Amino acid sequence: EAGVAQSPRYKIIEKRQSVAFWCNPISGHATLYWYQQILGQGPKLLIQFQNNGVVDDSQLPKDRFSAERLKGVDSTLKIQPAKLEDSAVYLCASSLDSQYEQYFGPGTRLTVT
Amino acid sequence: AQSVTQPDIHITVSEGASLELRCNYSYGATPYLFWYVQSPGQGLQLLLKYFSGDTLVQGIKGFEAEFKRSQSSFNLRKPSVHWSDAAEYFCAVGAGAGKSTFGDGTTLTVKP
Repeated sequence: EAGVAQSPRYKIIEKRQSVAFWCNPISGHATLYWYQQILGQGPKLLIQFQNNGVVDDSQLPKDRFSAERLKGVDSTLKIQPAKLEDSAVYLCASSLDSQYEQYFGPGTRLTVT
Repeated sequence: AQSVTQPDIHITVSEGASLELRCNYSYGATPYLFWYVQSPGQGLQLLLKYFSGDTLVQGIKGFEAEFKRSQSSFNLRKPSVHWSDAAEYFCAVGAGAGKSTFGDGTTLTVKP
């Protein structure tokens, strides 16, 4: 069974630029999560999708971050414009449903200079 | 609000020695508790979880954890550490698998 795929693995941008991350969850998984993991901290949930609907986006900085889940499968997370404090690893995870184990992708390491 | 504290930022143990990683949580009801491991450049992998029932849970790679409600703790243990166990370990608490709050992690170094 293929795992959660993310791209790109690494991205370096200047502040005020925009960036997008892509996630392909495990086939058949209804729930998809995006986490932000700042160096030295644990992952923080940014947004949770159930199929293509948003379940929880309470910690998503909506003035600059946006996310969508196309047709309930792939998802993209966008930052526009980026700030220095957005430097982090962005992790995508999926689960069969919200009460089941999450499977994490390898993450995208973003550096904002 | 739920929270997780992992008091030890970094732990070093010798290969073959026993290991205990501490986790304390704050949660208003019966929690779902998890331990994850993260190797460099990798995503998080679930080691074990506690939802209910037996308070001593067994996980993968020889790890186990004990839920102690009176101490609000969920410490991770392994009787004999292998060099491949060197990684970062995260404890998490939540109402379900999705809405989890993570601790800031404990980095494990294994000495030969």
